[in-house]
Amino acid sequence: DGGITQSPKYLFRKEGQNVTLSCEQNLNHDAMYWYRQDPGQGLRLIYYSQIVNDFQKGDIAEGYSVSREKKESFPLTVTSAQKNPTAFYLCASARSAEGYEQYFGPGTRLTVT
Amino acid sequence: SQQGEEDPQALSIQEGENATMNCSYKTSINNLQWYRQNSGRGLVHLILIRSNEREKHSGRLRVTLDTSKKSSSLLITASRAADTASYFCATDAGETSGSRLTFGEGTQLTVNP
Repeated sequence: DGGITQSPKYLFRKEGQNVTLSCEQNLNHDAMYWYRQDPGQGLRLIYYSQIVNDFQKGDIAEGYSVSREKKESFPLTVTSAQKNPTAFYLCASARSAEGYEQYFGPGTRLTVT
Repeated sequence: SQQGEEDPQALSIQEGENATMNCSYKTSINNLQWYRQNSGRGLVHLILIRSNEREKHSGRLRVTLDTSKKSSSLLITASRAADTASYFCATDAGETSGSRLTFGEGTQLTVNP
């Protein structure tokens, strides 16, 4: 059963704590992405990776960090430096970064109080 | 930066009617993609149209692309209550944008039974 998974579905944290969101894919895709979605809004790109051991900042990278040590995994850490971390986080993957559709995970809703 | 802008922001129709959503963008693109998002879920890819294509069909979906006007439209024919969702256009500007997608803010479609 191929796909992209994110865990957990809901996550609650206290302000000042770092938190790591998981994203795994078994589609053998080279490219992976992290987006943030706020209520009633579109998706904003946080970080993306076109290949293992490489990643680039998106439009709103401040306060976030990523790693891409394995092809199938692209975890996102929301650090305490992120001023407004409460949001819906979506991970996606694509066969490659150029010219292909993206496949999305089910999302993680993070609430920080 | 928001590349695509959808119009209208919200659309409410009766089952059986057609729904048309529009997307405008600012820079030249390699392809334009449409995605669907049910409330609280990940996005699902609907259709990809390349810059050298003018029209594409997939089931009840018809997408047009006018690169001279930098606009695209998504037509859903014979709509069903299950089509209720948010619809997003996303542009791929190729290497000039770092080979990533830029999403609009979406059209919320409600199909009333």
